[in-house]
Amino acid sequence: SQTIHQWPATLVQPVGSPLSLECTVEGTSNPNLYWYRQAAGRGLQLLFYSVGIGQISSEVPQNLSASRPQDRQFILSSKKLLLSDSGFYLCAWTVGRGNNSPLHFGNGTRLTVT
Amino acid sequence: LAKTTQPISMDSYEGQEVNITCSHNNIATNDYITWYQQFPSQGPRFIIQGYKTKVTNEVASLFIPADRKSSTLSLPRVSLSDTAVYYCLVGDGRYSTLTFGKGTMLLVSP
Repeated sequence: SQTIHQWPATLVQPVGSPLSLECTVEGTSNPNLYWYRQAAGRGLQLLFYSVGIGQISSEVPQNLSASRPQDRQFILSSKKLLLSDSGFYLCAWTVGRGNNSPLHFGNGTRLTVT
Repeated sequence: LAKTTQPISMDSYEGQEVNITCSHNNIATNDYITWYQQFPSQGPRFIIQGYKTKVTNEVASLFIPADRKSSTLSLPRVSLSDTAVYYCLVGDGRYSTLTFGKGTMLLVSP
């Protein structure tokens, strides 16, 4: 069966520090991968998505970036965190492309920027 | 892009049936309707998906009228553990349609 792993589960970082969140998927090949962010009391905002290695699309311009160095690995990064980057970051995957495959989410990373 | 509208919150008691309605007046021909459940500090979990009429699985039913401009998630005999946020997502799988709204906060009381 397919599983998705995110780490770390929680993270406290000072303003201006770098960030690296990692997500890996097991049990499937060529998944579409997504990074979402959920601010306190708000809905989920799609940040990045990827249909393949090295292919990244951004939905929201900001000081975050994403990379996909391997088929089932998706990384969210920042060179300098802002207070507004605090939130709950979720990685998700779907099968195929445009076929209405449901999103499957990881358990998320709670990021607090102090 | 089919925008969705859901009630912000709903209250229920254990053992009752709960119906959460989502409005999506601009739904396109290729769009499907998908519902997710999210508990605090967890990622959303897929509940059910449908295109038209009625879909039922082991946890919920999804009712979609002929015009498809709304859909209703039905949770039979809810328990305290069904307290969560429920999201309605309408789209054809393209990335531009994978944006969630604020969802419906369902609170189930004893």
